[in-house]
Amino acid sequence: QSALTQPPSVSGSPGQSVTISCTGTSSDVGSYNRVSWYQQPPGTAPKLMIYEVSNRPSGVPDRFSGSKSGNTASLTISGLQAEDEADYYCSLYTSSSIYVFGTGTKVTVL
Amino acid sequence: EVQLVQSGAEVKKPGESLKISCKGSGYSFTSYWIGWVRQMPGKGLEWMGIIYPGDSDTRYSPSFQGQVTISADKSISTAYLQWSSLKASDTAMYYCVRPRDYYFDYWGQGTLVTVSS
Repeated sequence: QSALTQPPSVSGSPGQSVTISCTGTSSDVGSYNRVSWYQQPPGTAPKLMIYEVSNRPSGVPDRFSGSKSGNTASLTISGLQAEDEADYYCSLYTSSSIYVFGTGTKVTVL
Repeated sequence: EVQLVQSGAEVKKPGESLKISCKGSGYSFTSYWIGWVRQMPGKGLEWMGIIYPGDSDTRYSPSFQGQVTISADKSISTAYLQWSSLKASDTAMYYCVRPRDYYFDYWGQGTLVTVSS
């Protein structure tokens, strides 16, 4: 199982929206709603932001939203804030009962 | 409050053995899987494996099978990640995680392992 494909970087100005894609195949991302997203600010541990494609844990701002279309899952940050600058990773629980992470995306707030 | 508290940073030489730990608290340790994620310097996240402390059922990523050993002591609510012979390429940050269904809902603070001669 290869890593899921994410763009290396995305950027936006404060208040704008950015979207990060996470591409797999019809056998994994396309077949199951088992995609989650994690935020990792510099020098800190990752934090769960979205689970099962579009669910937000308690305490995560509603500026963060998740969706899926075909073989690609997406994380959208609306109303971008300086504190959102971080690395973001998607993850998938596969049909082989293993977890796979995406390649990671660096979000820069201009 | 659920917490995963990991042991401190380690500096080791190639060929040495090492065991790092992760203590869970604030939940029933034997009722949830617990596992490990590697992050090499400047790189992304890699899932290594998980263990169910209730019965010690263990699952490894194919990439890490045979390279490390994951264990748990349910009497002290602690999971372990162990190497028998470290290599320089084992230098990384290691995170303890609690899987819940298809995602990781809690993460430890990380343990930095440096392997250098």
